[in-house]
Amino acid sequence: EVQLLESGGGLVQRGGSLRLSCAASGFTFSSYAMIWVRQAPGKGLEWVSTISGSGDNTYYADSVKGRFIISRDNFKNTLYLQMNSLRAEDTAVYYCAKPRQTWGTHYGMDVWGQGTTVTVSS
Amino acid sequence: QSALTQPASVSGSPGQSITISCTGTSSDVGAYDYVSWYQKHPGKAPKLMIYDVSNRPSGVSNRFSGSKSGNTASLTISGLQAEDEADYYCSSFRIGSTRVFGTGTKVTVL
Repeated sequence: EVQLLESGGGLVQRGGSLRLSCAASGFTFSSYAMIWVRQAPGKGLEWVSTISGSGDNTYYADSVKGRFIISRDNFKNTLYLQMNSLRAEDTAVYYCAKPRQTWGTHYGMDVWGQGTTVTVSS
Repeated sequence: QSALTQPASVSGSPGQSITISCTGTSSDVGAYDYVSWYQKHPGKAPKLMIYDVSNRPSGVSNRFSGSKSGNTASLTISGLQAEDEADYYCSSFRIGSTRVFGTGTKVTVL
């Protein structure tokens, strides 16, 4: 069964850092780009970042560029999101997601984790 | 990076059809046939309902259909059922290999 399991969320002070993890299983992890998406309380979905299967190419939303770093360990089948200089507006549920096809970064996302909650306090 | 524009809410009676629009620009919806739609219930992970404008993943009811014209994509739900009540989000690939979501539409079954 294809599964994604996020962890690492929690309460952090404004300006602090947090690293999220997403453990993947049931598919050839290294063949797929991976994506982080978040949803702030009462708000809509927001794309955060994408990383290619090899990890060589990364893309970020303007709202997190320069503060967040996406990475992956294809030996551990794990996706990461290092979040630095956190702001109140980064408070959200963070989801990792898998595209429905290999290699491309543009495919619809057919498998999602259950989400991990990040709360930034001021 | 502005979000795609969706109506805040759409409602219909059981059995009726409803359509949700998703308006973007020539840099996203109008540039690629990589529009997808997601259903989201509170506290649950999003679920892929439509990909590549009009394709349904295995297991998704054929009551869900998608289309696109110019910079606007649409999701139609026919034969509306109580279980369809949820939030719906469109998403598009965007120039620069980024992605963008829509503002979201709350579907209410009357």
